Amino acid sequence: GNSVTQMEGPVTLSEEAFLTINCTYTATGYPSLFWYVQYPGEGLQLLLKATKADDKGSNKGFEATYRKETTSFHLEKGSVQVSDSAVYFCALSDSYSGYALNFGKGTSLLVTP
Amino acid sequence: KAGVTQTPRYLIKTRGQQVTLSCSPISGHRSVSWYQQTPGQGLQFLFEYFSETQRNKGNFPGRFSGRQFSNSRSEMNVSTLELGDSALYLCASSPQTSGSRNEQFFGPGTRLTVL
Repeated sequence: GNSVTQMEGPVTLSEEAFLTINCTYTATGYPSLFWYVQYPGEGLQLLLKATKADDKGSNKGFEATYRKETTSFHLEKGSVQVSDSAVYFCALSDSYSGYALNFGKGTSLLVTP
Repeated sequence: KAGVTQTPRYLIKTRGQQVTLSCSPISGHRSVSWYQQTPGQGLQFLFEYFSETQRNKGNFPGRFSGRQFSNSRSEMNVSTLELGDSALYLCASSPQTSGSRNEQFFGPGTRLTVL
């Protein structure tokens, strides 16, 4: 079955540091991949997505590239801000799961001034 | 465009009771999905409704049910509540246009506490 594995948190970084959150997946079909972000007390916001191999999703300075050969979709940002503090979820969906989102456990990020 | 709205935002119930949660999707979105979020199990898919029909279902007991109305609004019901049902219940809607069936937009959630 489908599964998503994320690096364990919490991750603590200083402002303007480089961010990488690792995500690898196992899927039966050809999934679409997503990063969602959850701020305290809120629902999930779609951060970026990629629908096929070698696609790069990007938004608000965050990027992730769909790597089929390594089954990975790592999230990166060149310079984090305090406002990026949140929980980040990697997710996949495909036709085999009826397009339901299958999430990783989430990675908590804390950015300090 | 207004986002996904969920009511109520917070609920406190006791074991054995039942509860109904409501979700209004983004205007024009015909698909509504429900997810349960707990610290132990993370985010888990409950079910999806499209055009008033359940189209997909996760691995939850029959105490969890849902429905969708002709205006795409959806409700989920949990009967005979258990302590383990305490969770954040998230609703997501999807535009279902070509190439974006799997893009889902989430509401703020309903926090259910079972005592």
